[in-house]
Amino acid sequence: GAVVSQHPSWVICKSGTSVKIECRSLDFQATTMFWYRQFPKQSLMLMATSNEGSKATYEQGVEKDKFLINHASLTLSTLTVTSAHPEDSSFYICSAGTSGETQYFGPGTRLLVL
Amino acid sequence: QQQVKQSPQSLIVQKGGISIINCAYENTAFDYFPWYQQFPGKGPALLIAIRPDVSEKKEGRFTISFNKSAKQFSLHIMDSQPGDSATYFCAASISNAGNMLTFGGGTRLMVKP
Repeated sequence: GAVVSQHPSWVICKSGTSVKIECRSLDFQATTMFWYRQFPKQSLMLMATSNEGSKATYEQGVEKDKFLINHASLTLSTLTVTSAHPEDSSFYICSAGTSGETQYFGPGTRLLVL
Repeated sequence: QQQVKQSPQSLIVQKGGISIINCAYENTAFDYFPWYQQFPGKGPALLIAIRPDVSEKKEGRFTISFNKSAKQFSLHIMDSQPGDSATYFCAASISNAGNMLTFGGGTRLMVKP
């Protein structure tokens, strides 16, 4: 149980294009989903928290117009990197949690912007 | 301050040895302390977790020791194996605050055959 999937697992795009990453909780309903960014050999950096049906809460320094988060249902959240640039290249990881439980992480999406 | 400090940053252990990773926290409101294991190119996977009402929790070769008064907790990996080579993150959260995790900086463990 407690499986979280991400799609795609990796993506290469040209600078200026937008990329959408999906995060799904496969066997449970997630009241909250989280999006992280991880640079090589570093810890996870929380980008935003989203609850189903409401606007995401972004961490300080994260551009909400650049990283669009939609939490359409209790099992699906999407992160769209708009007008991606090389500095947006990173490993993006989502997690999902239920009330009173810990977070379960997806396998991550590696984004490379050329 | 919402911060969790983890040490060491890297650790090399011989096969069969004990790996010990330590974490210290500041916020006494934290009431849930999970450990995550992450392999390269993968997302973190929950390894073991503890709440402050117990001082130790063991699952197989993995043990968490918790010292509430010192605001410290540690992960012990007994009989370490090369397959345990990964990055380990401790974390802390407040259950009634949306389960937002505060992560330690991570420890890269290498178990030599």
